[in-house]
Order: sequence, then C-alpha cells, then structure tokens
Amino acid sequence: EVQLLESGGDLVQPGGSLRLSCAASGFTFTTYAMTWVRLAPGKGLEWVSTISGSGYSTYYADSVKGRFTISRDNSKNTLFLQMTSLRAEDMALYYCAKGRDNSGFYMRLLDSWGQGTLVTVSS
Amino acid sequence: DIQMTQSPPSLSASVGDRVTITCRASQGISNYLAWFQQKPGKAPKSLIYAASSLQSGVPSKFSGSGSGTDFTLTISSLQPEDFATYYCQQYNSYPITFGQGTRLEIK
Repeated sequence: EVQLLESGGDLVQPGGSLRLSCAASGFTFTTYAMTWVRLAPGKGLEWVSTISGSGYSTYYADSVKGRFTISRDNSKNTLFLQMTSLRAEDMALYYCAKGRDNSGFYMRLLDSWGQGTLVTVSS
Repeated sequence: DIQMTQSPPSLSASVGDRVTITCRASQGISNYLAWFQQKPGKAPKSLIYAASSLQSGVPSKFSGSGSGTDFTLTISSLQPEDFATYYCQQYNSYPITFGQGTRLEIK
C-alpha cells in the first residue's frame, strides 16, 4: 500500500524559510515522479512543483519559481520542498502526491496523496 | 496556462440521488483529465483518470465522460460517504491545473 507522510510544516514569519519532507513507502520510489500541491484557506488546490524519479527534471508554478526548490533523496525514499522568502499567500496545507509514472502525461497524473502538512506564514 | 472551470461550486442532494459535476478546460486537453474526492482533514482520493477510467478500488457508481474541453463526473445513488468536495485536474501540460472544486452537501 502506498503511504506518503508529510512533515515540516510550522509557523514562520514572512520572509522566512522552511523545509517540508515527505516520507514515501509501499512503492519503488525512484521510478515515479513526485509532486507538491497546496490548499490555501478558502481556495482550491494549487500545483506547486514536480520532480522526476531521478531528480534530474524539475518543474515549478510561476508563483513559487525562484523561491521554492523541490528535491528528493532516493536512498531514503524522501521528497523535499525547500521554501524561502515565504509570503502570506504561501500559507496552506501542503500535500505530496505520487505520479502514476515517471515520464510523459502520466508523470502529471497524481494517483496517491499524503494527508498534508500545514504551513502558516504570519508575523 | 490551461484554466479549469468547474460547476456548480456547490450542490445539495439527497441520499439516493444521482448528480453530475461539470469541468471545462480553456483549451483542448484530449482526455488527460482526472477527478478527485476530498473529505475534510483527509488526503484527496483519486477517482477517475483519462476522463473515464476508474481507479482501482473505486466503486462503479462513479463515472466520467468527455474529451477535448468538456468533461463530467456523475455519481449515482448517493450515499452519506459520498458527500465531499470534488476536483478535476488536467495533466495535459504544465502547469498542472485544478478546477475550483464542487462541494457536495446533504440536502
């Protein structure tokens, strides 16, 4: 059974930094793309970033490009999201999600999700 | 970017009803469309991919249709556990985009 467990969410001041983690189990981690998606209060789901299985290819939403960095440690089956220069609009529940495959369209098809970790940005 | 417009934003229905949710893409996405269910405090659950294919383990009361720009999710014989928020997602291209969600409530 696929399990994704996010951690690292916290209260941080505007301009601050935070690193989120997602521990994966139940599948061969290195062979699947992984994605971060967020859900802000009162808003809908927003895609944040995707990384290929090798970590070689990364993709970002314009709203986080240059501030967030997605990475993965395949030896530890863990996905990361390094967030810097945090803004009030980054406050959200952050989910990690597994892609159905590692390339093409199915890289972007999200078939399993974690429960999320909460990031609060406030002074 | 491909905009996904979902309707209605909310929907009230009774146990046993059949409901339909619509998702429209701002440009053609072939059948690269997925549907998710989310309950408060829970992880989103994948229901349908490729517009009409059921994810493993999802009951056949859920069905999807459409291609190009217009898609629908139909849920038949509503049960209490079906009342949740439903999202569509296009995976045709980056950026991945979602509909704004449809909140299905008990009447």
